[in-house]
Amino acid sequence: RKEVEQDPGPFNVPEGATVAFNCTYSNSASQSFFWYRQDCRKEPKLLMSVYSSGNEDGRFTAQLNRASQYISLLIRDSKLSDSATYLCVVVPEAGSYQLTFGKGTKLSVIP
Amino acid sequence: EAQVTQNPRYLITVTGKKLTVTCSQNMNHEYMSWYRQDPGLGLRQIYYSMNVEVTDKGDVPEGYKVSRKEKRNFPLILESPSPNQTSLYFCASSPIHGVQPQHFGDGTRLSIL
Repeated sequence: RKEVEQDPGPFNVPEGATVAFNCTYSNSASQSFFWYRQDCRKEPKLLMSVYSSGNEDGRFTAQLNRASQYISLLIRDSKLSDSATYLCVVVPEAGSYQLTFGKGTKLSVIP
Repeated sequence: EAQVTQNPRYLITVTGKKLTVTCSQNMNHEYMSWYRQDPGLGLRQIYYSMNVEVTDKGDVPEGYKVSRKEKRNFPLILESPSPNQTSLYFCASSPIHGVQPQHFGDGTRLSIL
Protein backbone atom coordinates (compact mmCIF):
# COMPACT_ATOMS: atom_id res chain seq x y z
CA ARG A 1 0.00 0.00 0.00
CA LYS A 2 1.38 3.39 -0.98
CA GLU A 3 2.04 5.84 1.82
CA VAL A 4 -0.39 8.52 0.70
CA GLU A 5 -3.02 7.85 -1.92
CA GLN A 6 -5.37 10.18 -3.69
CA ASP A 7 -7.83 9.74 -6.50
CA PRO A 8 -6.09 11.58 -9.37
CA GLY A 9 -9.36 12.68 -10.93
CA PRO A 10 -9.99 14.79 -12.85
CA PHE A 11 -13.09 15.93 -11.06
CA ASN A 12 -15.12 18.09 -13.43
CA VAL A 13 -17.85 19.93 -11.55
CA PRO A 14 -20.17 22.83 -12.39
CA GLU A 15 -19.86 26.16 -10.62
CA GLY A 16 -21.71 26.14 -7.33
CA ALA A 17 -21.34 22.41 -6.79
CA THR A 18 -20.02 20.77 -3.67
CA VAL A 19 -17.08 18.46 -4.17
CA ALA A 20 -15.14 16.26 -1.77
CA PHE A 21 -11.76 14.60 -2.01
CA ASN A 22 -10.39 11.86 0.17
CA CYS A 23 -6.81 10.94 0.88
CA THR A 24 -5.72 7.75 2.61
CA TYR A 25 -2.44 7.27 4.44
CA SER A 26 -0.74 4.05 5.45
CA ASN A 27 1.29 5.03 8.51
CA SER A 28 -0.96 4.97 11.56
CA ALA A 29 1.64 6.98 13.49
CA SER A 30 1.20 9.98 11.18
CA GLN A 31 0.69 13.10 13.22
CA SER A 32 0.09 16.07 11.02
CA PHE A 33 -1.83 16.63 7.86
CA PHE A 34 -2.22 19.42 5.34
CA TRP A 35 -3.99 20.21 2.14
CA TYR A 36 -1.99 22.13 -0.45
CA ARG A 37 -3.24 23.62 -3.67
CA GLN A 38 -1.13 23.66 -6.82
CA ASP A 39 -2.00 25.59 -9.95
CA CYS A 40 -0.61 24.39 -13.25
CA ARG A 41 3.19 24.78 -13.38
CA LYS A 42 3.19 26.76 -10.14
CA GLU A 43 4.47 26.03 -6.66
CA PRO A 44 2.30 24.23 -4.08
CA LYS A 45 0.66 26.59 -1.62
CA LEU A 46 -0.79 25.70 1.75
CA LEU A 47 -4.57 25.61 1.65
CA MET A 48 -5.22 24.48 5.19
CA SER A 49 -3.96 22.34 8.01
CA VAL A 50 -6.15 19.44 9.11
CA TYR A 51 -6.95 19.24 12.80
CA SER A 52 -8.24 16.22 14.68
CA SER A 53 -11.57 17.87 15.41
CA GLY A 54 -12.02 19.01 11.84
CA ASN A 55 -11.76 22.60 10.72
CA GLU A 56 -13.40 25.01 8.37
CA ASP A 57 -12.11 27.99 6.44
CA GLY A 58 -14.82 29.71 4.46
CA ARG A 59 -16.04 27.31 1.81
CA PHE A 60 -13.42 24.71 2.68
CA THR A 61 -13.77 22.02 5.34
CA ALA A 62 -11.06 19.54 6.27
CA GLN A 63 -11.59 16.42 8.35
CA LEU A 64 -9.44 13.67 9.76
CA ASN A 65 -10.55 10.11 10.40
CA ARG A 66 -7.77 8.39 12.32
CA ALA A 67 -9.60 5.08 12.66
CA SER A 68 -9.90 4.68 8.91
CA GLN A 69 -6.69 6.60 8.19
CA TYR A 70 -7.96 9.18 5.79
CA ILE A 71 -8.37 12.91 5.53
CA SER A 72 -10.92 14.72 3.45
CA LEU A 73 -11.41 18.12 1.87
CA LEU A 74 -14.86 19.47 1.12
CA ILE A 75 -15.34 22.49 -1.12
CA ARG A 76 -18.76 24.11 -1.10
CA ASP A 77 -20.13 26.47 -3.73
CA SER A 78 -17.26 25.80 -6.14
CA LYS A 79 -15.81 28.75 -8.02
CA LEU A 80 -13.95 28.76 -11.33
CA SER A 81 -10.90 29.89 -9.38
CA ASP A 82 -10.95 26.66 -7.37
CA SER A 83 -9.72 24.80 -10.46
CA ALA A 84 -6.35 23.38 -9.45
CA THR A 85 -4.67 20.22 -8.22
CA TYR A 86 -5.14 19.51 -4.52
CA LEU A 87 -2.29 17.75 -2.75
CA CYS A 88 -2.71 15.78 0.42
CA VAL A 89 0.36 16.05 2.65
CA VAL A 90 1.20 13.88 5.65
CA VAL A 91 3.92 14.16 8.27
CA PRO A 92 4.72 10.49 8.86
CA GLU A 93 5.57 10.63 12.55
CA ALA A 94 5.92 12.88 15.54
CA GLY A 95 9.09 14.92 15.49
CA SER A 96 9.60 14.42 11.76
CA TYR A 97 9.94 17.34 9.41
CA GLN A 98 9.60 15.28 6.30
CA LEU A 99 6.47 15.62 4.28
CA THR A 100 4.96 12.84 2.21
CA PHE A 101 2.91 14.15 -0.67
CA GLY A 102 0.04 12.50 -2.42
CA LYS A 103 0.10 12.75 -6.19
CA GLY A 104 -2.78 15.16 -6.17
CA THR A 105 -6.40 15.33 -7.27
CA LYS A 106 -7.18 17.55 -10.22
CA LEU A 107 -10.31 19.67 -9.99
CA SER A 108 -11.85 21.54 -12.91
CA VAL A 109 -14.78 23.81 -12.14
CA ILE A 110 -16.83 24.39 -15.27
CA PRO A 111 -18.99 27.45 -15.99
CA GLU B 1 8.06 40.09 1.81
CA ALA B 2 8.62 36.57 3.12
CA GLN B 3 9.75 34.39 0.28
CA VAL B 4 11.79 31.49 -1.03
CA THR B 5 13.76 32.43 -4.14
CA GLN B 6 15.09 29.94 -6.66
CA ASN B 7 17.40 30.61 -9.57
CA PRO B 8 17.34 29.99 -12.42
CA ARG B 9 13.65 29.58 -13.15
CA TYR B 10 14.37 27.78 -16.42
CA LEU B 11 17.48 26.06 -17.71
CA ILE B 12 18.24 23.94 -20.75
CA THR B 13 21.63 22.31 -20.66
CA VAL B 14 23.51 19.24 -21.85
CA THR B 15 24.44 15.97 -20.25
CA GLY B 16 27.49 16.12 -18.01
CA LYS B 17 27.73 19.88 -17.60
CA LYS B 18 27.73 20.68 -13.89
CA LEU B 19 25.01 23.01 -12.73
CA THR B 20 23.79 24.58 -9.51
CA VAL B 21 20.28 25.69 -8.67
CA THR B 22 20.29 28.25 -5.88
CA CYS B 23 17.67 28.59 -3.16
CA SER B 24 17.46 31.39 -0.65
CA GLN B 25 14.89 32.17 2.03
CA ASN B 26 14.48 35.35 4.07
CA MET B 27 12.39 33.96 6.91
CA ASN B 28 15.21 32.65 9.11
CA HIS B 29 13.84 29.13 8.73
CA GLU B 30 15.90 26.24 10.02
CA TYR B 31 14.46 23.58 7.72
CA MET B 32 15.03 23.61 3.97
CA SER B 33 14.31 20.95 1.41
CA TRP B 34 14.51 20.16 -2.28
CA TYR B 35 11.82 18.30 -4.25
CA ARG B 36 11.40 17.22 -7.80
CA GLN B 37 8.02 16.88 -9.45
CA ASP B 38 7.41 14.58 -12.39
CA PRO B 39 4.16 13.71 -14.16
CA GLY B 40 2.46 10.75 -12.53
CA LEU B 41 4.97 10.64 -9.68
CA GLY B 42 4.06 13.68 -7.64
CA LEU B 43 6.51 15.56 -5.45
CA ARG B 44 9.49 13.56 -4.23
CA GLN B 45 12.04 14.79 -1.73
CA ILE B 46 15.68 14.89 -2.84
CA TYR B 47 17.55 16.26 0.18
CA TYR B 48 16.71 18.22 3.27
CA SER B 49 18.53 20.22 5.90
CA MET B 50 17.60 20.78 9.51
CA ASN B 51 20.10 23.61 10.02
CA VAL B 52 23.51 24.90 8.99
CA GLU B 53 25.88 22.03 8.15
CA VAL B 54 23.12 19.45 8.78
CA THR B 55 21.83 17.72 5.65
CA ASP B 56 20.27 14.35 4.92
CA LYS B 57 18.98 12.31 2.01
CA GLY B 58 15.38 12.27 1.02
CA ASP B 59 13.70 9.69 -1.17
CA VAL B 60 15.59 10.31 -4.43
CA PRO B 61 19.08 11.70 -3.66
CA GLU B 62 21.03 9.90 -6.40
CA GLY B 63 22.82 12.27 -8.75
CA TYR B 64 22.40 15.30 -6.49
CA LYS B 65 24.43 17.11 -3.86
CA VAL B 66 23.53 19.89 -1.47
CA SER B 67 25.27 22.14 1.00
CA ARG B 68 24.10 24.35 3.85
CA LYS B 69 26.88 26.73 4.76
CA GLU B 70 24.51 29.55 5.69
CA LYS B 71 21.05 29.40 7.15
CA ARG B 72 19.39 31.25 4.29
CA ASN B 73 20.91 29.31 1.37
CA PHE B 74 20.50 25.71 0.27
CA PRO B 75 21.88 25.14 -3.24
CA LEU B 76 21.19 21.98 -5.23
CA ILE B 77 24.14 20.72 -7.25
CA LEU B 78 24.03 18.36 -10.21
CA GLU B 79 27.65 17.33 -10.75
CA SER B 80 27.00 15.42 -13.97
CA PRO B 81 23.41 15.98 -15.09
CA SER B 82 21.65 13.30 -17.10
CA PRO B 83 18.40 13.37 -19.08
CA ASN B 84 16.51 11.53 -16.31
CA GLN B 85 17.05 14.60 -14.13
CA THR B 86 14.88 16.65 -16.44
CA SER B 87 12.16 17.79 -14.08
CA LEU B 88 10.48 20.62 -12.21
CA TYR B 89 12.36 21.36 -8.99
CA PHE B 90 11.05 23.09 -5.89
CA CYS B 91 12.88 24.38 -2.87
CA ALA B 92 10.94 24.80 0.38
CA SER B 93 11.57 26.02 3.90
CA SER B 94 9.87 26.01 7.27
CA PRO B 95 10.60 26.69 10.92
CA ILE B 96 11.24 23.60 13.04
CA HIS B 97 9.48 24.70 16.18
CA GLY B 98 6.20 22.86 16.08
CA VAL B 99 4.93 21.30 12.89
CA GLN B 100 4.77 23.98 10.30
CA PRO B 101 3.74 23.81 6.68
CA GLN B 102 6.41 24.52 4.16
CA HIS B 103 6.79 27.58 1.98
CA PHE B 104 7.78 26.80 -1.58
CA GLY B 105 9.83 28.67 -4.13
CA ASP B 106 8.46 29.34 -7.61
CA GLY B 107 10.17 26.30 -9.08
CA THR B 108 13.00 25.63 -11.54
CA ARG B 109 12.32 23.82 -14.76
CA LEU B 110 15.42 21.90 -15.84
CA SER B 111 15.84 20.24 -19.21
CA ILE B 112 18.91 18.05 -19.66
CA LEU B 113 19.55 17.16 -23.29
